[in-house]
Amino acid sequence: GEDVEQSLFLSVREGDSSVINCTYTDSSSTYLYWYKQEPGAGLQLLTYIFSNMDMKQDQRLTVLLNKKDKHLSLRIADTQTGDSAIYFCADLYGNNRLAFGKGNQVVVIP
Amino acid sequence: NAGVTQTPKFQVLKTGQSMTLQCAQDMNHNSMYWYRQDPGMGLRLIYYSASEGTTDKGEVPNGYNVSRLNKREFSLRLESAAPSQTSVYFCASSAGTVEGYTFGSGTRLTVV
Repeated sequence: GEDVEQSLFLSVREGDSSVINCTYTDSSSTYLYWYKQEPGAGLQLLTYIFSNMDMKQDQRLTVLLNKKDKHLSLRIADTQTGDSAIYFCADLYGNNRLAFGKGNQVVVIP
Repeated sequence: NAGVTQTPKFQVLKTGQSMTLQCAQDMNHNSMYWYRQDPGMGLRLIYYSASEGTTDKGEVPNGYNVSRLNKREFSLRLESAAPSQTSVYFCASSAGTVEGYTFGSGTRLTVV
């Protein structure tokens, strides 16, 4: 089946940049997504990137995609306390299904 | 508010009891999904429904059944709950690929 790997924990100071990494196995992936989960809530779509793109910028968020290495990253500029959450990368595969990584908890220190 | 509504939000069951988790969306999405979330495991797909009238197994379907009642509603049933089914359950819906999924706020289920 699909396999998406993420590191588990990141601590960052407020105002610094955060970088979260993800690797995936499906070379035929068309879309890759980043979701955010705040405590006690469901997942919220942050951004996505199409597989023919290398980079996508959306306000404070920058997504980088390296298809050769099957590596996806999310950079959050000027990290705020409201960015404390779990971040999931997800890979679209057959029949519009998403395979999620295990999530990366980001803790922002004031 | 428009979106995906899950009920109940919390539930405690005894081993062997049955229950149905309800999910409804009002965005006219074709596809609906049930995931479970366990610590350190991420989200794992239980069942999905690509369109009204169809359901398919996901990654971890054992011990569960689903019903796509109509376009809006997709329920998940535990016939005989086991402690291993203690988890947070999320329902999601999708109109297509670019939009991704819209998630409900989850049902926290404890089986004792």
